[in-house]
Amino acid sequence: QQPVQSPQAVILREGEDAVINCSSSKALYSVHWYRQKHGEAPVFLMILLKGGEQKGHEKISASFNEKKQQSSLYLTASQLSYSGTYFCGTAQGGSEKLVFGKGTKLTVNP
Amino acid sequence: EAEVAQSPRYKITEKSQAVAFWCDPISGHATLYWYRQILGQGPELLVQFQDESVVDDSQLPKDRFSAERLKGVDSTLKIQPAELGDSAMYLCASSRQGRLGETQYFGPGTRLLVL
Repeated sequence: QQPVQSPQAVILREGEDAVINCSSSKALYSVHWYRQKHGEAPVFLMILLKGGEQKGHEKISASFNEKKQQSSLYLTASQLSYSGTYFCGTAQGGSEKLVFGKGTKLTVNP
Repeated sequence: EAEVAQSPRYKITEKSQAVAFWCDPISGHATLYWYRQILGQGPELLVQFQDESVVDDSQLPKDRFSAERLKGVDSTLKIQPAELGDSAMYLCASSRQGRLGETQYFGPGTRLLVL
């Protein structure tokens, strides 16, 4: 079952913060976050495993709320290079198969 | 840094023609995935290989699509005959063993346009 990402799109000015959410109606075992720039392959950002952990990657971090079956990606002090479409891929029901959301398009303007 | 290689990067074909895409995963990665990504959507798994064996091809339209990984290394995805609705980006990814929580690394993709 495809996870739901919100918002669908967000426009920021450089230096602003953003939160992207990924929700599932099924029990999640892991959440994988990728960023994809137009015409390019998805680039891996981070994986979160069930357990409610939070991970950080420079100014990008993420959390995993097992009870809510939701993961959130936090982008702080956004840079122009953060522009792109962010996808979450979820492993559900014990399967290692990833099901991706429709993506959140992030635009960072000067 | 090791990368997933794919070719060609772009392919334009007419409907009813045959097309083939090639993928070379990161060295030592046992698991190889083919995804299809329609514009504005997330990647959708078509087929997953563990070494040379198909693990999951439940979303592969088997009447026209075929995939093989004969020696458990590189892989070919074929469409015959191509249809207009096949226009999409075809992404190959690989992971070490395909276990829960492993990172999947994507190649640059092949963008297919069917006229």
